[in-house]
Amino acid sequence: QQQVKQSPQSLIVQKGGISIINCAYENTAFDYFPWYQQFPGKGPALLIAIRPDVSEKKEGRFTISFNKSAKQFSLHIMDSQPGDSATYFCAARFAGGTSYGKLTFGQGTILTVHP
Amino acid sequence: EAGVTQFPSHSVIEKGQTVTLRCDPISGHDNLYWYRRVMGKEIKFLLHFVKESKQDESGMPNNRFLAERTGGTYSTLKVQPAELEDSGVYFCASSPMTVNYEQYFGPGTRLTVT
Repeated sequence: QQQVKQSPQSLIVQKGGISIINCAYENTAFDYFPWYQQFPGKGPALLIAIRPDVSEKKEGRFTISFNKSAKQFSLHIMDSQPGDSATYFCAARFAGGTSYGKLTFGQGTILTVHP
Repeated sequence: EAGVTQFPSHSVIEKGQTVTLRCDPISGHDNLYWYRRVMGKEIKFLLHFVKESKQDESGMPNNRFLAERTGGTYSTLKVQPAELEDSGVYFCASSPMTVNYEQYFGPGTRLTVT
């Protein structure tokens, strides 16, 4: 039972284009939604995160859009660059009881930005 | 500041053997998490330590997996005996007690069971 569903599995974008990755969740006990970026041979690194009381958060070229009623959130990468080529994971933090803090991840999206 | 380190980076063992993975969190981080990613699937939570105590081990697959965190510092994850389905990348992450939403991940240990 996957609680966070991520799409697409892979994405190819031209340099300068917009990359969009979508996630949907089911559990209303999540209270924090981070996005992680992973390069080959490295561990996931926190990219940007949002809380459910905010509809949008922007950091540089990266923007999270959050729709609480639809239980969906997405990552937009503006002006995509070849250096953005990586695997992106959305995640949700569980806020309940002894499981507080654990992250539930989406399946990941392999982003390739062509020069 | 040194990041989260994991050892070994890659381990290849035969079915039935034992393997021990090690994680050294960022100094001062009381929270330590283990996650696993099986090929092509999502990263899944295994367990969570707060200092030396197991806070949540609901993600541990079965009793072939044993995690310890000595003195609230480094942690080990032992798989005994290993099965084919244990293959995957095992990640360790840590976070400070006061800011537990930002987890810092290690590079992972790729475990291959043949």
